[in-house]
Amino acid sequence: EAGVAQSPRYKIIEKRQSVAFWCNPISGHATLYWYQQILGQGPKLLIQFQNNGVVDDSQLPKDRFSAERLKGVDSTLKIQPAKLEDSAVYLCASSLGLQYTQYFGPGTRLTVL
Amino acid sequence: DAKTTQPPSMDCAEGRAANLPCNHSTISGNEYVYWYRQIHSQGPQYIIHGLKNNETNEMASLIITEDRKSSTLILPHATLRDTAVYYCIGYYNQGGKLIFGQGTELSVKP
Repeated sequence: EAGVAQSPRYKIIEKRQSVAFWCNPISGHATLYWYQQILGQGPKLLIQFQNNGVVDDSQLPKDRFSAERLKGVDSTLKIQPAKLEDSAVYLCASSLGLQYTQYFGPGTRLTVL
Repeated sequence: DAKTTQPPSMDCAEGRAANLPCNHSTISGNEYVYWYRQIHSQGPQYIIHGLKNNETNEMASLIITEDRKSSTLILPHATLRDTAVYYCIGYYNQGGKLIFGQGTELSVKP
């Protein structure tokens, strides 16, 4: 069974530029999560989708971050404009449903210069 | 979601059992104990979870105390590839969040 796919794996941008990350969850998984992991810390949930609806985006900095999952499968996380403090690994996870185990992708490492 | 406490680091000799403790004294009756690990530069990997009973799978065993205030993850024969940060998380799976702490950095040495 294929795991959660993410791209790109690495991205370097300058501050004030925009960037987008893509996630393809495990086939059949209805719930999709985006996490931010700053160096030396554990992952922190940014947003959670159930199919194509948002369940929880309370930790998403909505002035610069946006995410969508239009057809209930793939998802895109965007940052516009990026700040230096956005340098982190962005992790996508998926699960069969809200009450099931989450499985993580390899992450995208973002460096903002 | 329960707050968990783990030692920041541990060492283990290759081939020996690694016993990773976790305190979760505030865990509620409907919160599961989940364990994930994160190998350097990879995403977190699910290991095992349990509610009340001890659990075992191909990766590890989970021992939960009767009062559910603490648990131990056991890797029976640690290898160098088990070197990782191990996270213990109290998780209410009916709408809760996975809240990652600092975890335990396990170093398996030859």
